Amino acid sequence: EVQLVQSGAEVKKPGDSLKISCKGSGFSFTTYWIGWVRQMPGKGLEWMGIIYPADSDTKYSPSFQGQVTISADKSINTAYLQWSSLKASDTAMYYCARFYGSVATKTFDYWGQGTLVTVSS
Amino acid sequence: DIAMTQSPLSLPVTPGEPASISCRSSQSLVHASGYKYLDWYLQKPGQSPQLLIYLGSNRASGVPDRFSGSGSGTDFTLKISRVEAEDVGVYYCMQALQTPYTFGQGTNLEIK
Repeated sequence: EVQLVQSGAEVKKPGDSLKISCKGSGFSFTTYWIGWVRQMPGKGLEWMGIIYPADSDTKYSPSFQGQVTISADKSINTAYLQWSSLKASDTAMYYCARFYGSVATKTFDYWGQGTLVTVSS
Repeated sequence: DIAMTQSPLSLPVTPGEPASISCRSSQSLVHASGYKYLDWYLQKPGQSPQLLIYLGSNRASGVPDRFSGSGSGTDFTLKISRVEAEDVGVYYCMQALQTPYTFGQGTNLEIK
């Protein structure tokens, strides 16, 4: 069974650093992309970026480039999203999702349960 | 970036009645291969998004056949032939033609 299990909710202060995780199981982690999607409170979905764990090739949305870092450790089937200095505006639910990216199919077919990040002084 | 525009943003529907959601992109989503890189997702209340339709018209595994996707170029449509109570939630289209992939604003389907 394909699963993406994300790390638990976080409560942080502005200026703190943070790294959240997404562990994949039930599939070959190095043959899919893993993406991150932000959902601010009461708002829609925003595509942040995507990584190919086999070689760490990463693509960012211009809106998030320089604001976050996406990485992966293929030895433990885990992708990460990290911030060096959180802002209150980073408060959101963050989802990871598996991206099936062949010519014949490009889609997020499995999603994690989400990680709620709250940034407040 | 490719902009995605959905309409309506709110959709009250009586159970058993059909529903339709439109998604328009700022440029064609048809790849040189002929594939249409447009997906539909449903986010039920309190849940993660789930894939409904990929490549514009292909239902994902386990998705009831009352859901159908159509369209080409810049205009796409998600149709529900007979809405059921379990269909409530926010529907999003997403283009996967080029990064950054982009979502529509979402359409909130509610039961009348």
